[in-house]
Amino acid sequence: AQKITQTQPGMFVQEKEAVTLDCTYDTSDQSYGLFWYKQPSSGEMIFLIYQGSYDEQNATEGRYSLNFQKARKSANLVISASQLGDSAMYFCAMREGGGTASKLTFGTGTRLQVML
Amino acid sequence: GAVVSQHPSRVICKSGTSVKIECRSLDFQATTMFWYRQFPKQSLMLMATSNEGSKATYEQGVEKDKFLINHASLTLSTLTVTSAHPEDSSFYICSASFGGGQPQHFGDGTRLSIL
Repeated sequence: AQKITQTQPGMFVQEKEAVTLDCTYDTSDQSYGLFWYKQPSSGEMIFLIYQGSYDEQNATEGRYSLNFQKARKSANLVISASQLGDSAMYFCAMREGGGTASKLTFGTGTRLQVML
Repeated sequence: GAVVSQHPSRVICKSGTSVKIECRSLDFQATTMFWYRQFPKQSLMLMATSNEGSKATYEQGVEKDKFLINHASLTLSTLTVTSAHPEDSSFYICSASFGGGQPQHFGDGTRLSIL
C-alpha cells in the first residue's frame, strides 16, 4: 500500500481563490510528521508547512494551512488567496518515527496551475 | 537564504564518466543527509541516507557500488555516480536537517545528463 497518496495529479485555481490539495497517509507509527513541499519548474524543493502527529492544532504558515484529520489519516494543504507564483508541483511527505534521521516518503505530487 | 548548498547544478558528460555531486549544510552541522533521485514528472525517491563518519544506508534496489556516498564531515556529503550511463540521467537532490525534529531542507538539485 502507498504510504502517501495524492489523488490529484493536476489542479487549476483562479488567482485570489483558495485551493485544497489532498493528501492521505498510511502508518502504524504513533509518532510521525507530515510535510508539504513546493517544487517550481526550476527544481528546488521549498519547505512550506509541517504537522506533527501529536499536534492538536492545525499548522498554519502565512497563506498555507494544513487541514489535519488524524482519524481519517489526511493532511490536506490549503492555499488561500492564490497567486500566479504558486503555480508549481506540490508534494506531501511523511516522516515516520521521531528524529531527523528518519527518512521522508513522498507522494506522487499535484501540479497546481493558477490562472488569471 | 539557502541552508543547504548543492553543486553543481547541471552536469552534461559522456557515457563512462564518473560524476561527483556535493551537498553542504550551511551554518549548521548535519550528521545525517539524504540523497534523492527524481525522474521527469515523477516524485522524489530516496536513494540513500548519508551518515557522518560511517557507511551510508542504501535503499533497496540502489547499487552502492554505482552510487558512492561519502560523508566525511558534519557539513559535507558527496554522491559520486561511477561510470555513468544514459539511464543514470536524472535530477539528484540532497537534503539535511537542523535536528530536533526540524524539517529537511533541500539543496537546489543537480540535473545530470549523460550523453
